[in-house]
Amino acid sequence: AQKVTQAQTEISVVEKEDVTLDCVYETRDTTYYLFWYKQPPSGELVFLIRRNSFDEQNEISGRYSWNFQKSTSSFNFTITASQVVDSAVYFCALTLTQGGSEKLVFGKGTKLTVNP
Amino acid sequence: DAGVIQSPRHEVTEMGQEVTLRCKPISGHDYLFWYRQTMMRGLELLIYFNNNVPIDDSGMPEDRFSAKMPNASFSTLKIQPSEPRDSAVYFCASSLLETQYFGPGTRLLVL
Repeated sequence: AQKVTQAQTEISVVEKEDVTLDCVYETRDTTYYLFWYKQPPSGELVFLIRRNSFDEQNEISGRYSWNFQKSTSSFNFTITASQVVDSAVYFCALTLTQGGSEKLVFGKGTKLTVNP
Repeated sequence: DAGVIQSPRHEVTEMGQEVTLRCKPISGHDYLFWYRQTMMRGLELLIYFNNNVPIDDSGMPEDRFSAKMPNASFSTLKIQPSEPRDSAVYFCASSLLETQYFGPGTRLLVL
């Protein structure tokens, strides 16, 4: 069965610190997509990134970077020089492409608090 | 382009009343999803549609819940009769190529 584990329930850092959010997934499928979503205190779910299972290149977008490693089934998310506005719950998710399913399996989320 | 639109944004109702939540997906998207989020259970997929056809409703908690998608630009999630344990945030999402985009959610409180 597919599963996403975000072992860190809550993380608290001081502004300008770097922080890494861990995501470990389980799937038997060879083709899949991984996602990160951000849920700020206002409540909406914001798409951040998608990575397919054949693309292990790391990605950087401003202060955000993602490290995908199939060997360890991990898709970690790093925020460099964190800011108060980064405070949110971050969800990692996994979807399947085989069998036509479009379901997302979400982790339980990591609540990040960035203190000034 | 507008994102996913949901209405109402907040709903307070009394137990036993019918509640209808509405969603307008992003134009051109062929999948539509309904989720429920609570502190206890996190994000739960209730049902999803492909090209207006329900594909998987295994997440619908019970017969009190029903969802329809009469056309590509509109979907409803109905709870009848509502119960206090239905209090949650209900999200609608749509997708075209695997990536789901979420609406702002409807915060439902059943008294």
